[in-house]
Amino acid sequence: LAKTTQPISMDSYEGQEVNITCSHNNIATNDYITWYQQFPSQGPRFIIQGYKTKVTNEVASLFIPADRKSSTLSLPRVSLSDTAVYYCLVVEKAAGNKLTFGGGTRVLVKP
Amino acid sequence: EAQVTQNPRYLITVTGKKLTVTCSQNMNHEYMSWYRQDPGLGLRQIYYSMNVEVTDKGDVPEGYKVSRKEKRNFPLILESPSPNQTSLYFCASRDGLAGKDYNEQFFGPGTRLTVL
Repeated sequence: LAKTTQPISMDSYEGQEVNITCSHNNIATNDYITWYQQFPSQGPRFIIQGYKTKVTNEVASLFIPADRKSSTLSLPRVSLSDTAVYYCLVVEKAAGNKLTFGGGTRVLVKP
Repeated sequence: EAQVTQNPRYLITVTGKKLTVTCSQNMNHEYMSWYRQDPGLGLRQIYYSMNVEVTDKGDVPEGYKVSRKEKRNFPLILESPSPNQTSLYFCASRDGLAGKDYNEQFFGPGTRLTVL
């Protein structure tokens, strides 16, 4: 099981960039890295996924170094509505792409 | 609109009274699953289904049953609910993996269950 470790919480201010780093030291060759966002009392929502290097979409960027033992989710210019819990997950292909959620990072965006 | 729906959204019941939480998706997804979320324990998978008539246990299946008679529906059944099943439940679905490395999961809005 590829365990992930990420900060429990982070505070930021509106308009700033938020970077959340996640470590996944025992990631397997075929595994993907994915990030989900969850607002209180709502289901998690997919943000971004990647295998290596950098991936960018309209919401975030994901940076994955060559050794793939960590990844960094970057949220540009956050707003109050980005306050949520962010989960880093390693999607294990050998386990049928099962999602195993850890504790996540609680991001609080302040005005 | 592509979505996963769950009903009911809120339910208060008593110990031992059988209940069913329905889940339906309109995306023709092959894979569906149920999670429960508890403070300090995160989201844990209860059961999942790779396709119609194919179901398997997740990490915390005790006390739950599921069925997958149609592709779009994946009900969660609690035959004899107990207070330790008080939780927030999420249904999720995703496309199959044929020819793909990864598919995102779409989660429903959640069902908050209280068992007295």
